[in-house]
Amino acid sequence: QSALTQPPSASGSPGQSVTLSCTGTSSDVGSYRYVSWYQQYPGKAPKLILYGVSERPSGVPDRFSGSKSGNTASLTVSGLQAEDEADYYCTSYVGNNNWVFGGGTKLTVL
Amino acid sequence: QQQLQESGPGLVKPSETLSLTCSVSGGSISSGSTFWAWIRQPPGKGLEWIGSIYYGGNTYYNPSLKSRVTMSVDTSKNQFSLSLSSVTAADTAVYFCARLPYSGYALKSFDNWGQGTLVTVSS
Repeated sequence: QSALTQPPSASGSPGQSVTLSCTGTSSDVGSYRYVSWYQQYPGKAPKLILYGVSERPSGVPDRFSGSKSGNTASLTVSGLQAEDEADYYCTSYVGNNNWVFGGGTKLTVL
Repeated sequence: QQQLQESGPGLVKPSETLSLTCSVSGGSISSGSTFWAWIRQPPGKGLEWIGSIYYGGNTYYNPSLKSRVTMSVDTSKNQFSLSLSSVTAADTAVYFCARLPYSGYALKSFDNWGQGTLVTVSS
């Protein structure tokens, strides 16, 4: 299984919206709704921010939203805030109880 | 809220076996429909799923690591473990343990993580 493809970097100004992509194949992202997103600050453990493509765990602001089209999943951060500057990773189920991560996107708030 | 905590040597010699344990507190590791996972992150790089284990002992490993990975669970201690054999410098990484529910809330996502432990492979 190959890693999902995420752009290495993305940026936006405070208050703007930014969308991060996560591209897989018909064998992973395209086949399952088990796509989740994680936010990671330097030196910290990743934190789940979306699961099941678009479901938010309790406590995650509704500024974070997710969608999927074909083999590509997307995370949109609306109303960007300085605290959103972090690394974001996607992961997808690939069947047979196996998982694959994306390479991560570093989001910069300008 | 369950808490996960990794433990083990921070330095391993090349060709030797890396061994880590994840202790789970605040809930039973034998909860139905929950897998437990190991994930690693080399310095400055992305996350890599290593494998997952069910409390009953069923294991699933990343095909790229399968020949070197063994995971086990000790329900009496509420712990699960990772062994990675024949390590090289490429195995230097922060190793995280995580919970992977297969039912209900946060279905099939890594919803709870340990803080991670850095393991360096060096002579």
